Order: sequence, then C-alpha cells, then structure tokens
Amino acid sequence: DAKTTQPPSMDCAEGRAANLPCNHSTISGNEYVYWYRQIHSQGPQYIIHGLKNNETNEMASLIITEDRKSSTLILPHATLRDTAVYYCIVREAGNYGQNFVFGPGTRLSVLP
Amino acid sequence: DTAVSQTPKYLVTQMGNDKSIKCEQNLGHDTMYWYKQDSKKFLKIMFSYNNKELIINETVPNRFSPKSPDKAHLNLHINSLELGDSAVYFCASSPKIMTVYPPRVNEQFFGPGTRLTVL
Repeated sequence: DAKTTQPPSMDCAEGRAANLPCNHSTISGNEYVYWYRQIHSQGPQYIIHGLKNNETNEMASLIITEDRKSSTLILPHATLRDTAVYYCIVREAGNYGQNFVFGPGTRLSVLP
Repeated sequence: DTAVSQTPKYLVTQMGNDKSIKCEQNLGHDTMYWYKQDSKKFLKIMFSYNNKELIINETVPNRFSPKSPDKAHLNLHINSLELGDSAVYFCASSPKIMTVYPPRVNEQFFGPGTRLTVL
C-alpha cells in the first residue's frame, strides 16, 4: 500500500467545517483513497472512499486532486462527537489485507 | 443489532497462558480480519480470511492461530502468552462487492475491540 502523510493534530470549532488533508504522492493508478476514524476506545469506523472523482455521503465529502497525490476529507458541520483520530489509507480494491496498516492519523479535536 | 461483535471486551491473564478471542459478524460479509493495535496506536493487520480460507498472514508468531468455523466467525487463539502480546485486538469484516462504483470490497466494519493485558 502507498504511504500517506497527515498532520498529527487539528482543532475545529463546533458547527464549522473540518478539512483534513492527506498526502499520498506515491499512489498508483489502481489504488483507492479510504478514510476511517477511531473514536476513543472504539473500533475504527469507515467514512468514505474514492478513486479520482469527488465523493459525498451522509457523513463527509472526499475531494481528490486531479493528480491524485493528495486528498481532503471534509466534515461539513463538525460536532463534538466528531472528535476522533482520522486515518487516510490508500489500497487496491480487492487487496484482502496485504500490508494493511492504520496510523498514526490526524487527531481532530472539535471545540465547543 | 451488533454488526461485528467480539468477546471478551477485556482479558487479563498471566504470561504463559493460552487464551481465545471470539469474533462474529452478522453482515453476511465474505472477508474477515484480525488487527492488533499496540501502545503507539498503530493498527496493523495480522490475518485475513476470505470464505473461511486464510488469505493473508502477516509476520505474526505461530503462537497466534486464527480459526474460521464458518463465514460469520473468525476466532483468534493465542498460545503461551507473552508480555508483548498486550494490546487491543480488533476484528473486522468487509463485503465482496465489486459491481458498484466505487467498489465496496475493502469497506471494513470493525468490532469494539478486546483489550488484552498479559501480566
């Protein structure tokens, strides 16, 4: 799996948009970008993934640059419950686990 | 309804003992995984099974033996526990859906974790 780089921590005011960046400059053409988050003491939770088009679901939006070397996860209206560690991962669809590693991610703190 | 469940949630045991952690998913997924999250919070895959067959076995001591009695269960048995085995172990599953875009085949659903403490 391609390596990713994320800032170790970020703060966001409650109700504002949280924009979490991720660099994946060595991503290959058949690798997807996945985002997960881990709330304290819980298992990771899938958020969203995409290949090259921007994606949106009920949780977040994913913006992938045209060269696919970086992406941004957007939580449009952050709440206190969005405080968590956010992981950006790249992997091939159909890879059943080889080299799957999460970490260290970005610790997002949503402040009241 | 719990999608991916693990038991026990906490496990405290002495060095040298043998213990098991159970995992069940009711999502109808084909692939199941075991991950280990160490004190530095890195989450690393240990094993993956697809339709009860071992697919991936990352560099894990052979004291760790996964068992998949059916597609919905993947249990982890650990022999001769060592201090370094203390960690949180997560079970996960994912569907085998390649027919939608983007394909959901690696969309993983995680259990709540089992915190193992070896004394």
